[in-house]
Order: sequence, then structure tokens, then C-alpha cells
Amino acid sequence: KAGVTQTPRYLIKTRGQQVTLSCSPISGHRSVSWYQQTPGQGLQFLFEYFSETQRNKGNFPGRFSGRQFSNSRSEMNVSTLELGDSALYLCASSLVSRDEAFFGQGTRLTVV
Amino acid sequence: AQSVTQPDIHITVSEGASLELRCNYSYGATPYLFWYVQSPGQGLQLLLKYFSGDTLVQGIKGFEAEFKRSQSSFNLRKPSVHWSDAAEYFCAENYGGATNKLIFGTGTLLAVQP
Repeated sequence: KAGVTQTPRYLIKTRGQQVTLSCSPISGHRSVSWYQQTPGQGLQFLFEYFSETQRNKGNFPGRFSGRQFSNSRSEMNVSTLELGDSALYLCASSLVSRDEAFFGQGTRLTVV
Repeated sequence: AQSVTQPDIHITVSEGASLELRCNYSYGATPYLFWYVQSPGQGLQLLLKYFSGDTLVQGIKGFEAEFKRSQSSFNLRKPSVHWSDAAEYFCAENYGGATNKLIFGTGTLLAVQP
């Protein structure tokens, strides 16, 4: 079966701009989580959506937001980009709660 | 706060040698634990998981891990390392409750010498 698909794979944005990243989970998976990975902070949880509802949120500013659609596809948005937002953003999907997470290949965001 | 500790930031082993990567978790009487591997610029691939039952779990690529409640540990092992095992390894724990939120360790970067 198809894995988790993230688009785009690479993005270069300018400070102050906004960006939207997309994630298509494995078919049938209703839980989608987002993580930010940086060399300094490691892997940090952003938020989780389950059946279109945000179920958990990490400790990130309000500039980071997300949503999930009825087909379980998810998007995350970062507004007013800062240089420190440069990171690998990973999406993961799971079938049920407390289940293994399947990760996409990530979107590499560079803010200049 | 809930945390996962991987004490070794970087490990180098010779090809064919055995490997043990350490992981300590901090939360829960019944932790849900995972080991993931990441190649450069790629996503994370699940190696194995522990939810309950047998404390020695087998995973893909010849990896195994042992859950020890008394030591709050979930160490990853492989009897004979291959050059293709060079990657970064992450231990993670489920946050608990009805969620798939994972708390990750800082990772261990494995280098394999020929």
C-alpha cells in the first residue's frame, strides 16, 4: 500500500512569508501528526489531528497551525516565517491511538 | 516532564561487530516504546515496538530490543552490524492517553567502519 506522502519535498521561502505543507496519510489512517526536526532541538511534536479535530498540540507559537480534511489529508501552515523555522517537517499517520506511526519523507523548509 | 534519554550521541562500530544503543524512558507503568531509524534527508522508519508482553522484541533488519522495567530502559541490539546500518537511531515513547504523540530521544548517530 502507498505510504505517507508529503509535498513538496523542498521549499525555500523568505522571512515574513507564509508556507503550507501537505501530508497524505496511509489509506484508512485517521490520525496525522506533525513534527519539526532541527539539529539543535531534535524531533519536536507540533500537533496531532484525528478525524478532523486537533487532539494534541505541542509547544509552538500560534504562527504554526494545521488542519485535517474529511479524507484525512492534512496541511500545516506557518505564517510570518522566521529564520529559525528552517527545518525538516515530518508528517506521520497512524491507524488508531497509541499505535505505531508511519512517517513520510518530510518537507525540507529553508527560510532565507 | 516526560522524557526519553539516549546517552550516546555518536557511536562507531566495526562491520560485523555487535551493537547496543541505549534508551531510557521516564513515564508510565505501561509504556509504549519504539525505535526508529533515519537515513540522511529521509523520514523515519520503524524498527520495532513494545506495547506489552514478551520483553524481548524482534524487529526488522535483524534488530531486537529488550524492555527492562526495573531500569526504565529499552535498549536496541544487533549481533552483527552491516555497513548499511549506518544511520541515526531514535528511541521514542508514546505520550500516553488517546494520542499518537511521540516523545523522542535526541538520537544516536551510528557510524560503521569497514
